[in-house]
Amino acid sequence: DAKTTQPNSMESNEEEPVHLPCNHSTISGTDYIHWYRQLPSQGPEYVIHGLTSNVNNRMASLAIAEDRKSSTLILHRATLRDAAVYYCILREWAGNQFYFGTGTSLTVIP
Amino acid sequence: GAGVSQSPSNKVTEKGKDVELRCDPISGHTALYWYRQRLGQGLEFLIYFQGNSAPDKSGLPSDRFSAERTGESVSTLTIQRTQQEDSAVYLCASSLTGVNYEQYFGPGTRLTVT
Repeated sequence: DAKTTQPNSMESNEEEPVHLPCNHSTISGTDYIHWYRQLPSQGPEYVIHGLTSNVNNRMASLAIAEDRKSSTLILHRATLRDAAVYYCILREWAGNQFYFGTGTSLTVIP
Repeated sequence: GAGVSQSPSNKVTEKGKDVELRCDPISGHTALYWYRQRLGQGLEFLIYFQGNSAPDKSGLPSDRFSAERTGESVSTLTIQRTQQEDSAVYLCASSLTGVNYEQYFGPGTRLTVT
């Protein structure tokens, strides 16, 4: 099973960009990189995913290293509502499972 | 449209009793997942259903845990002879089939075994 490594916690000031790193050195060529976040007392929600190219959506951007062994989730302007646990997950092409790990707890400072 | 719903939202049970947790996926979603999340921990995969295929039960922690799903509809997770270590939030998610589709999670059922 493919695994990811993330810092346990990070802080950001409100209105500033946040870069959340994720290492996935054992990634295989067909693994997709997914990001989810979990707000307090809620189920996780999808943020973004990608395979090789950088991706942008209304919530965030995903920057994927050229060797795909790491990726960075970018929140362009952190708000208090972005305070959550962010999970970086590898989704195997032929697999059923999402391995969530313990994620990064993001604190946004007003 | 309606999201994933789970019931009950909270369940308190005595050690040794059986419990049933219910998940109503989003209509049309062929894939359904169950996860367990202990306090302060990440999500732990339990079981995966895909259409009428045999479920992937590789994450079930013991034979006290079982789950059923009829077609692409409701799923129930059953825990027999509950133990205190079963206390956790049980999350259900559904999705369309394929690695390119995201999972939609329900609000979870908080199970407390006393």
